[in-house]
Amino acid sequence: QSALTQPASVSGSPGQSITISCTGTSSDVGGYNYVSWYQQHPGKAPKFMIYDVIHRPSGVSNRFSGSKSGNTASLTISGLQAEDEADYYCSSYTSSYTYVFGTGTKVTVL
Amino acid sequence: QVQLQESGPGLVKPSETLSLTCSVSGGSMSHFYWSWIRQPPGKGLEWIGCVYYTGSTNYNPSLKSRVTISVDMSKNQFSLKLSSVTAADTAVYYCARGGPPFHWFDPWGQGTLVTVSS
Repeated sequence: QSALTQPASVSGSPGQSITISCTGTSSDVGGYNYVSWYQQHPGKAPKFMIYDVIHRPSGVSNRFSGSKSGNTASLTISGLQAEDEADYYCSSYTSSYTYVFGTGTKVTVL
Repeated sequence: QVQLQESGPGLVKPSETLSLTCSVSGGSMSHFYWSWIRQPPGKGLEWIGCVYYTGSTNYNPSLKSRVTISVDMSKNQFSLKLSSVTAADTAVYYCARGGPPFHWFDPWGQGTLVTVSS
């Protein structure tokens, strides 16, 4: 199974909105509403941010939102803050009863 | 709340078997899948596989021939064995709760670095 495709880097100024894309196939992202997103700061374990494409777990800021169109899922961060600077990964369930992660996106707050 | 902690050797020789254990505290392992995920230094995340509390498993096809994941309900632990390791298996290994029907990973352990080197 191939990793889902994410942009290597995305940047924005404080207060702006940015969107990270996650592109797969009809066998993973496009075939199921089972995309999740994770935030990872350097040297730390990933933090769970979004599940089932659009849902935020308790405790996650409502500045984070998810969506999907066809084979591409997206994570939008609104009102960008310095603490949002981190690596972000998407993940999807697949038709082979497995999971695949995205290639990862480094978010820089200018 | 549920907490996970990885343990095992930090150094493994090439061609040998990597063995790690994840201890689960603060909750029951019943009715959940439990996963192993790894991250080579400076690279992205890779799902290795998962085990249901009954012992049923699913593995990443690219690692399937070398991976065994098992569960020990009496100890509230699950384990990873990866055979015939090479330098490419050097990574931080994370354990996490996750698998059908909850298609996300949460919580995660802190991760443990395993280096493959002679």
